[in-house]
Amino acid sequence: LAKTTQPISMDSYEGQEVNITCSHNNIATNDYITWYQQFPSQGPRFIIQGYKTKVTNEVASLFIPADRKSSTLSLPRVSLSDTAVYYCLVGDLGTDKLIFGTGTRLQVFP
Amino acid sequence: DAGVIQSPRHEVTEMGQEVTLRCKPISGHNSLFWYRQTMMRGLELLIYFNNNVPIDDSGMPEDRFSAKMPNASFSTLKIQPSEPRDSAVYFCASSLLNEQFFGPGTRLTVL
Repeated sequence: LAKTTQPISMDSYEGQEVNITCSHNNIATNDYITWYQQFPSQGPRFIIQGYKTKVTNEVASLFIPADRKSSTLSLPRVSLSDTAVYYCLVGDLGTDKLIFGTGTRLQVFP
Repeated sequence: DAGVIQSPRHEVTEMGQEVTLRCKPISGHNSLFWYRQTMMRGLELLIYFNNNVPIDDSGMPEDRFSAKMPNASFSTLKIQPSEPRDSAVYFCASSLLNEQFFGPGTRLTVL
């Protein structure tokens, strides 16, 4: 499973766009990129998943460059409720196994 | 669907006692995962099952830990004997198509 590197923490203000970049230099051909969100005292929750280019859903966008060695989770117009830890994971969907790294702790201020 | 159900939500026990954590996955999901989360070590995968069969238990810390999945709707994680270093939040998750759904977790404190 490819190792991922992401910033330990980020700060933002309400209404701003937040971009969290994850590095995964050893990503394999069959690997997908998945992001999870975790609030205090809760289990992680799936946000978005992609293989290449751009994926968008009602919560976030995921940008993946052509070499796939990194990815960026974009949260538009964050609110206080977006304060959480965000995990970037890389793995082969066929194996089901996910390895969580340290995550990025996002703090949104009013 | 109620989501992944875990019990108990909180457990406080004394060192040396047996602890059993329970999980009911989402109906229809064919994979089940047990994780442990601590401040020091983050979120660690302990074991996962596919169609009730253990696929990878390389994350199980030692022989004191065991997990079973007797049927598609129930799994247990047992620690015997428990030690203070086992104190953590234990999450169960289930999945069908690569998106894992996590339960609320069991906060275990071993005194």
